[in-house]
Amino acid sequence: DIQMTQSPSTLSASVGDRVTITCRASQSIYSWLAWYQQKPGKAPKVLIYKASNLERGVPSRFSGSGAGTDFTLTISSLQPDDFATYYCQQYRTYPVSFGQGTKLEI
Amino acid sequence: EVQLVESGGGLVQPGGSLRLSCAASGFTFSNYAMSWVRQAPGKGLEWVSAISGSGGRTYYTDSVKGRFTISRDNSKSTLFLQMNSLRAEDTAIYFCAKDTYPTGAGAFDFWGQGTMVTVSS
Repeated sequence: DIQMTQSPSTLSASVGDRVTITCRASQSIYSWLAWYQQKPGKAPKVLIYKASNLERGVPSRFSGSGAGTDFTLTISSLQPDDFATYYCQQYRTYPVSFGQGTKLEI
Repeated sequence: EVQLVESGGGLVQPGGSLRLSCAASGFTFSNYAMSWVRQAPGKGLEWVSAISGSGGRTYYTDSVKGRFTISRDNSKSTLFLQMNSLRAEDTAIYFCAKDTYPTGAGAFDFWGQGTMVTVSS
């Protein structure tokens, strides 16, 4: 099975900051990676798919990069609405798997 | 508008059973694989099971194999998860999620609001 490791687990930042979250796969997943945002009490929402493709309707301050085993999610200028928990997910093969999450705090 | 509405959660004793349902609308249900993803209280996301659009292929995480069964009724645009021999560690919010591909192993572009399953005596 493919293990996904995110870092950091918690990230403290301020409005306007540029932040980067890292996700590492235990083996190559090519570009089969998605990023999700989850707010308390809500379902996750997809932000990025296939490592770097922005989901329709997602603000352009979100971007994804990487391939193989190392990936990043970058938020170029944090907005108040962006404080949430972020998860990466590999979907190269079943069982698909998620990272443990990164909580982005003010 | 895509909608996924889960139901069937509740409180059940260890060893008991529950059947979750997910009613889908706003897309051609049979064209997409579907998954169940769970989230234990205060924890991260865990994929549980998936089924192809045709229903011909199913997939499970190891911890539920032999206890959970995923199925779908494409005529009613409904996804199911039959959960037997429930354990305390199955306690979680269960989300249904739409895959981006008919065969599965894709990103999840739409999610339901979730249904809570609590396994406790």
